[in-house]
Amino acid sequence: AQRVTQPEKLLSVFKGAPVELKCNYSYSGSPELFWYVQYSRQRLQLLLRHISRESIKGFTADLNKGETSFHLKKPFAQEEDSAMYYCALSPPWGAQGAQKLVFGQGTRLTINP
Amino acid sequence: DSGVTQTPKHLITATGQRVTLRCSPRSGDLSVYWYQQSLDQGLQFLIHYYNGEERAKGNILERFSAQQFPDLHSELNLSSLELGDSALYFCASSFAPWGETQYFGPGTRLLVL
Repeated sequence: AQRVTQPEKLLSVFKGAPVELKCNYSYSGSPELFWYVQYSRQRLQLLLRHISRESIKGFTADLNKGETSFHLKKPFAQEEDSAMYYCALSPPWGAQGAQKLVFGQGTRLTINP
Repeated sequence: DSGVTQTPKHLITATGQRVTLRCSPRSGDLSVYWYQQSLDQGLQFLIHYYNGEERAKGNILERFSAQQFPDLHSELNLSSLELGDSALYFCASSFAPWGETQYFGPGTRLLVL
């Protein structure tokens, strides 16, 4: 079964504090993994994908295949990071279902001043 | 705007009715994906078209259908609407049929009364 679990519906931290948004996945193989962000009244946008290993807006995500996790981290939170964050997986190139994204339920991150 | 566009932004209709949601992909993208976002189910993949051809189906009800036209825009038709169909419907696009970042539109908010 393909599943993405984000255990925290809501997460609140103070500005300047470290942030970690948890994501666990279930897939028998090596999926593509993504983090999407949705700022208030805006569309879903890609924040990062594990294959590119980029750091966007100070966020990084480490893939842990043993724990099947892809947690999103930022060392110092900023107020503009307040948004809804979605973790998603896609089966790899050529695998069945590779066309679709399977999303977690999302975590609403609030950064307090 | 060369991004993904969706019309209408909002739609209010009654049970039993039929509506059509429209999506125009980013310039150059051949793939269109439809997703439904509801409070209880989260973001769920509905269907994928690539260059006019249906490529994958997800949790799409039989009352729902879609197509992609020669100019690559896509329409999602929802018929015999029920209260539970109230949701945000997103369209996304990408160039290739799989393995690529999907770019999302702003969504159409459907309310069935």
